[in-house]
Amino acid sequence: DVKVTQSSRYLVKRTGEKVFLECVQDMDHENMFWYRQDPGLGLRLIYFSYDVKMKEKGDIPEGYSVSREKKERFSLILESASTNQTSMYLCASSISHEQYFGPGTRLTVT
Amino acid sequence: GDSVTQMEGPVTLSEEAFLTINCTYTATGYPSLFWYVQYPGEGLQLLLKATKADDKGSNKGFEATYRKETTSFHLEKGSVQVSDSAVYFCALSRPRTGTYKYIFGTGTRLKVLA
Repeated sequence: DVKVTQSSRYLVKRTGEKVFLECVQDMDHENMFWYRQDPGLGLRLIYFSYDVKMKEKGDIPEGYSVSREKKERFSLILESASTNQTSMYLCASSISHEQYFGPGTRLTVT
Repeated sequence: GDSVTQMEGPVTLSEEAFLTINCTYTATGYPSLFWYVQYPGEGLQLLLKATKADDKGSNKGFEATYRKETTSFHLEKGSVQVSDSAVYFCALSRPRTGTYKYIFGTGTRLKVLA
C-alpha cells in the first residue's frame, strides 16, 4: 500500500512565525501536491511538483513556498504565518491519474 | 474551465437507507472520474474510480457510473451503515504537462443515524 505521511497532525503557531510542513511518500511517485481544505471551499491546490527540484504554482500560492530536494519529500513553507492561513493542509502523491493522500495537518495560527 | 459540482450537504439518512450523492462535471477531453471519502480527522481515501465513458466503479458497496452524455458520476449505495458517515468528494483528473490536473468538488457530508 502507498503510504503518505505528514510530520504533524496538529500544529499551533503564532502570527509571523515561519512554518514548515513536511510530507513523505514511500512509493517512488514522481508527483507530489499540497492542498488546503476549508469548509465550503473543498480542496484548493497550493503547489505541486512533478520532479525533484521542480515546482509549479497551483491556484492559491500566495504566502507559501515549497521545497523538493529528494523525490520522497515535499515541504510546504509558510514564510510568515498569518491567521488566514489557519486551515487543514493535505499532502498527496500520485502515479498516473490516481492521487494518494496523507492524514492532513490541522494548522492554527494565533 | 474544468469544474466539478456536487450536491450540497449535509445528507442525513437512517441506517439501511438508499444513498445517492449527485456529481456533475465540466471538462475538456476525456477525464478520469473519482470518488474520495474522508473520515473525521483523516485525509482523503480513494473510494472508486472510472476512466472512460460507461465504466462503472465500485467498492465497499458503493457504485458510480461514468455518464458522458449527462456529464455525471453519481455515487450510490443500496444500504448505508453508520460507519459510512463521512465527507465524500467527487473529483476528475486529466493530463497536463508533466502530470495530471485534478479538480475536486466541495464535498458532501453524509450522516447515517442508527
